[in-house]
Amino acid sequence: GNSVTQMEGPVTLSEEAFLTINCTYTATGYPSLFWYVQYPGEGLQLLLKATKADDKGSNKGFEATYRKETTSFHLEKGSVQVSDSAVYFCALSDLAGNNRKLIWGLGTSLAVNP
Amino acid sequence: DAGVIQSPRHEVTEMGQEVTLRCKPISGHNSLFWYRQTMMRGLELLIYFNNNVPIDDSGMPEDRFSAKMPNASFSTLKIQPSEPRDSAVYFCASSFPSDSSSYNEQFFGPGTRLTVL
Repeated sequence: GNSVTQMEGPVTLSEEAFLTINCTYTATGYPSLFWYVQYPGEGLQLLLKATKADDKGSNKGFEATYRKETTSFHLEKGSVQVSDSAVYFCALSDLAGNNRKLIWGLGTSLAVNP
Repeated sequence: DAGVIQSPRHEVTEMGQEVTLRCKPISGHNSLFWYRQTMMRGLELLIYFNNNVPIDDSGMPEDRFSAKMPNASFSTLKIQPSEPRDSAVYFCASSFPSDSSSYNEQFFGPGTRLTVL
């Protein structure tokens, strides 16, 4: 079945460091891919998405490219800030059968120190 | 818009008691999702509704859990009787209508932190 694998955390970085959080997936068909972010004490919110191969999603300085050949959707940011400290979730959606479910990774906690 | 509203934000109860969690989706959204989040199991989808009809409840842990959506603006998740292992953060999310070829963003509520003693 469909699945998402994220790198384990926690990830601890200094401010202005480069961030990569790895995400790989297994899926049948042509899923859409997402990154959600959860700030402390809040619900999840969509950070970025890509709906087809080679699409690049971007938002708030974060980017991720849908790589079908490597089944990956790694999250990157060139210079992290303390305010980026949060838990990041990779997810995929398979629309077969009009399904509206998302398949979630376990989340990667990021802590950015000043 | 106020976003997805959940109540209560925190609930502490004793084992064996009935617990009811409430959710008001964003107006105009026609899909509603109930999730459970724990450190051990991560984020789990319990059940989701489309146009007030339960579509997939395969994630509901057992018969102690039940969910209803009597109308487009209200849903409940009930646990009876509650057990300590039910302690978790429960999220409700909603999304707006889409056709079968696209996916629409899920908007999450702030969650209910449930502690069963």
